[in-house]
Amino acid sequence: NAGVMQNPRHLVRRRGQEARLRCSPMKGHSHVYWYRQLPEEGLKFMVYLQKENIIDESGMPKERFSAEFPKEGPSILRIQQVVRGDSAAYFCASSPTGLNTEAFFGQGTRLTVV
Amino acid sequence: GQSLEQPSEVTAVEGAIVQINCTYQTSGFYGLSWYQQHDGGAPTFLSYNALDGLEETGRFSSFLSRSDSYGYLLLQELQMKDSASYFCGGSGNTPLVFGKGTRLSVIA
Repeated sequence: NAGVMQNPRHLVRRRGQEARLRCSPMKGHSHVYWYRQLPEEGLKFMVYLQKENIIDESGMPKERFSAEFPKEGPSILRIQQVVRGDSAAYFCASSPTGLNTEAFFGQGTRLTVV
Repeated sequence: GQSLEQPSEVTAVEGAIVQINCTYQTSGFYGLSWYQQHDGGAPTFLSYNALDGLEETGRFSSFLSRSDSYGYLLLQELQMKDSASYFCGGSGNTPLVFGKGTRLSVIA
């Protein structure tokens, strides 16, 4: 049973480009969470999705950021018109239920905006 | 909403015991979890407490007191490899959110 898979592991984008981060949850997990982590800082919640539904996006910036978790395929975190402040590690986690008794994290995508 | 507070840094000697505290404010609280993250790595699950009391898993134990909105992670027989950041996480009516993390440095 493969763990949570995120790709790419490293992504470099120029200011103004789009970044698409992918997350395939563990098999059997239908709950996905995205977090952002700046160097030397904690994990900041961004969005919580269940298959085809956004459950909680209270941590998402209002503009340029969007997330989806389609019926088929991975969850996608999309950042449009990236700026240098978007440079961070983005982690995805999945769990089998929404009760968060244990969440499994991917290795993260390190986004660098130049 | 939820907020969790934990110390930013702790230093302890190899072989010793260290306790990392976490206080929380959350609505509809379900339980408190702990995660370990080494530099450059992914957070990994350590423990989860839904009920008051102590949960023991090898060298690591975690404690929860719902009445005090307080928990802690206890690490025994510290090893150099335990040097990492430790995050407490709260789950409730809102998704799993984390404190800012405690950076543990184990010294010889």
